Amino acid sequence: DAGVTQSPTHLIKTRGQHVTLRCSPISGHKSVSWYQQVLGQGPQFIFQYYEKEERGRGNFPDRFSARQFPNYSSELNVNALLLGDSALYLCASSLLQGARETQYFGPGTRLLVL
Amino acid sequence: SQQGEEDPQALSIQEGENATMNCSYKTSINNLQWYRQNSGRGLVHLILIRSNEREKHSGRLRVTLDTSKKSSSLLITASRAADTASYFCATDASSSNFGNEKLTFGTGTRLTIIP
Repeated sequence: DAGVTQSPTHLIKTRGQHVTLRCSPISGHKSVSWYQQVLGQGPQFIFQYYEKEERGRGNFPDRFSARQFPNYSSELNVNALLLGDSALYLCASSLLQGARETQYFGPGTRLLVL
Repeated sequence: SQQGEEDPQALSIQEGENATMNCSYKTSINNLQWYRQNSGRGLVHLILIRSNEREKHSGRLRVTLDTSKKSSSLLITASRAADTASYFCATDASSSNFGNEKLTFGTGTRLTIIP
């Protein structure tokens, strides 16, 4: 079975631009979470979606938004990019809602903002 | 904010030796998970231990959890070159099934296995 997939794998943007990152969860998984990992640090929680509803939000500005589609795939959108948004963006899926079950991570999208 | 703090930040050992990493956290938790990350790629789930468990094994991995000390340890026995990676602990401290459930990660331990 395919694991969590993310696209694109790498992305270069300039300050002020907008970016959309995509995630497909493991088949049958209904929960998707997004994390940001800045170089040298651990991942930081951004959003969690379960059954197409937002169920959690981390301490990120409103420039960050996300949604989950009927097929449980998800998009993370970031507006007005800043240099500090350069990071590895990770998507995780789980069978049930939340962090009480094993979270399976995708390979990530590496975003560089110039 | 970082809930978990791994110790040490970096560890280098000879192949075949055992590697021990520690994780401390600040609040009560539902579970603690350990992940491995190779060269800034995606995270690979290693093991999940729930708050009512004290020890779990998976292959060459042994995880302990001491909720009274708010700490966990990951032991990798008979290390291999392929174990070279960063290791993160992550805690779930959510208070309800419909609350703000998330994993809070530590800063990681960088493990290097010397052939």
